[in-house]
Parts: sequence; C-alpha cells; structure tokens
Amino acid sequence: QLQLQESGPGLVRPSETLSLTCIVSGGSIYTSAHQWGWIRQPPGKGLEWLGSINYSGDSYYKPSLKSVVSISIDTANNHFSLRLSSVTAADTAVYYCARRSNLAARPWIQWGPGTLVTVSA
Amino acid sequence: QSALTQPRSVSGSPGQSVTISCTGTSSDVGAYDYVSWYQQNPGKAPQLMIFDVTKRPSGVSDRFSGSKSGNTASLTISGLQAEDEADYYCCSYAGTFVYVFGTGTKVTVL
Repeated sequence: QLQLQESGPGLVRPSETLSLTCIVSGGSIYTSAHQWGWIRQPPGKGLEWLGSINYSGDSYYKPSLKSVVSISIDTANNHFSLRLSSVTAADTAVYYCARRSNLAARPWIQWGPGTLVTVSA
Repeated sequence: QSALTQPRSVSGSPGQSVTISCTGTSSDVGAYDYVSWYQQNPGKAPQLMIFDVTKRPSGVSDRFSGSKSGNTASLTISGLQAEDEADYYCCSYAGTFVYVFGTGTKVTVL
C-alpha cells in the first residue's frame, strides 16, 4: 500500500528557499496512474493547493505562485520535491504532499501526515 | 484563483442535519462537476468525504451527501454525531490541472 511522508527542514530563514521532499513507499512513483501534489495550511488557516506533477515531469502550479514555486520528480529515488523561493513569514505552514489519480480532475485521495515549516530569522 | 467561500462555522445538536455551503465562481465551482469535500480533525491530514459533487468514497458514511447549484456547492451531514465535529473544506477543479480550496468550516456538535 502506497504511503507518503514529507521530509525537510522545519526552519527556514526569510528570503531563502524552502525545500521539501515527499518520499513515496509501497509502490513506484513512476506510473501514469497518479499525479503527485503539494498543499499547505498556515497555522489556524485553510488549505492552499500549490501545484502538482506527473511521472513524466509535467508540472502545474497555482497561477499566483508560479514565479516562486517549483515541483520536481526523482523517479530513481521514488520521491518528488517542492521548492519555494524568497520565503516570508506568510509561508509558515504545515506542508502536505498528496496523491490523486491521473485521470481528469480527480480528487486528492491520499495525503502525507504533513510537516510544519516555520519561516523565521 | 481566490479561495472558495465557506461559512466560518456551523453547529447542530446530535441527530440534526447541518449544511455547509461553498461558493465559487463560473470559472471553478460553476464550470465543473468536480467538487470534493474533505474532513480534517485537529493535527491530522484531511480525509476525502465527497468527490464529483455527490459521490462518496468507499467507507464514508451515507450521512454525508453533496450537491451543487450554479456557483455554490453544499455538503450536508445528516444525523449529526459527536464524531462529525471537525473542520470541513471544499475543493474545486479550476481547469488546466489547477485546484482551489475553500476557506474551511468548523462543525460543532452541541
């Protein structure tokens, strides 16, 4: 059974780049069956979809974040990654990686437990 | 895309029904029958409760139902139980592989 687990630093300094990895276990990330995504939640606030990627590296982003967000996939090591540049305190959030079917407009059916990233000097 | 609009909170007594609205635009909720609903308990990841406006994943109670009219989708919880107390988020497909979430609603069981 597929499992997702976020990994990365819990503290990032303002203006630097936030980097997280989602480790996929129990199955291959290199499959046309799934899309892989990142969703975040600031403390006490709502969910925000950041972007997603498929097995061949086609990526899609929230339009307002396109200039600062990048998602990549590493099929050899079975993980995908998020990079968010020029972070501010507003980027402090729990970051979730998630999976959905690669069919059109499918919901996010599986989520990792989430990891808290704090942006602070 | 702006976040979909949900009421901040709704409440009901055990056994009652509550309905949560999710208002978007003609570019997201109104454009596609691809609205999903997620339940989130404190400190936990969201869990899918409804997809494609009205469909329930296997294992989700039939007390949860969804609907949509125009730019507004709704989630109804019937026969409210203490275990339903949680935060609920709607999510809509917005075209070109883009998704938008709602602002979230806290359901309180009185």
